[in-house]
Amino acid sequence: ETGVTQTPRHLVMGMTNKKSLKCEQHLGHNAMYWYKQSAKKPLELMFVYNFKEQTENNSVPSRFSPECPNSSHLFLHLHTLQPEDSALYLCASSQKTGSGNQPQHFGDGTRLSIL
Amino acid sequence: LAKTTQPISMDSYEGQEVNITCSHNNIATNDYITWYQQFPSQGPRFIIQGYKTKVTNEVASLFIPADRKSSTLSLPRVSLSDTAVYYCLVGDMGSSASKIIFGSGTRLSIRP
Repeated sequence: ETGVTQTPRHLVMGMTNKKSLKCEQHLGHNAMYWYKQSAKKPLELMFVYNFKEQTENNSVPSRFSPECPNSSHLFLHLHTLQPEDSALYLCASSQKTGSGNQPQHFGDGTRLSIL
Repeated sequence: LAKTTQPISMDSYEGQEVNITCSHNNIATNDYITWYQQFPSQGPRFIIQGYKTKVTNEVASLFIPADRKSSTLSLPRVSLSDTAVYYCLVGDMGSSASKIIFGSGTRLSIRP
């Protein structure tokens, strides 16, 4: 139990579908992150939220749309995805950004497959 | 950006001590060194973090020489369950998250 819960754990969707990934953290953290991990590739940072405000967008295509309604919840809305978007999507949280050495706590990810 | 270099893979046996070294020649003054462990189909797990000298916790030790251009993660008496990918990260966690880069990591395989 890492304190960061992601749902669903697995998702299969067609390219025209719309779905959402959910992340919830129970650690009292104020920063949340989305990462993409493709097969045998390093983690790629996608988005960063600090106190509910998006502070970083790492040139992510608009077919990925994040939402952070509060410091405990983070969503990733998906629409019109491509086969190359199939990957493990990881959510992480940390105390906050901009304050020294803050290790990130990760969920176990959503395994996304695009048909 | 402080880039890190680690061996792609390592093999060892149960009960042995395993040392994984990470090179970070352009580490900045404010940068910390952080190690994560990742099992298949799981998110990375924080193992240990240090700034200089030696840090020890219940699972590992981290050795950092005076020039801080490298660091060594030491896992005492490994078991089969230590088979995983280990990532070395260098950066100021208080700055932009995009400056904290997960590289390819070191794939550690432990044999009986």
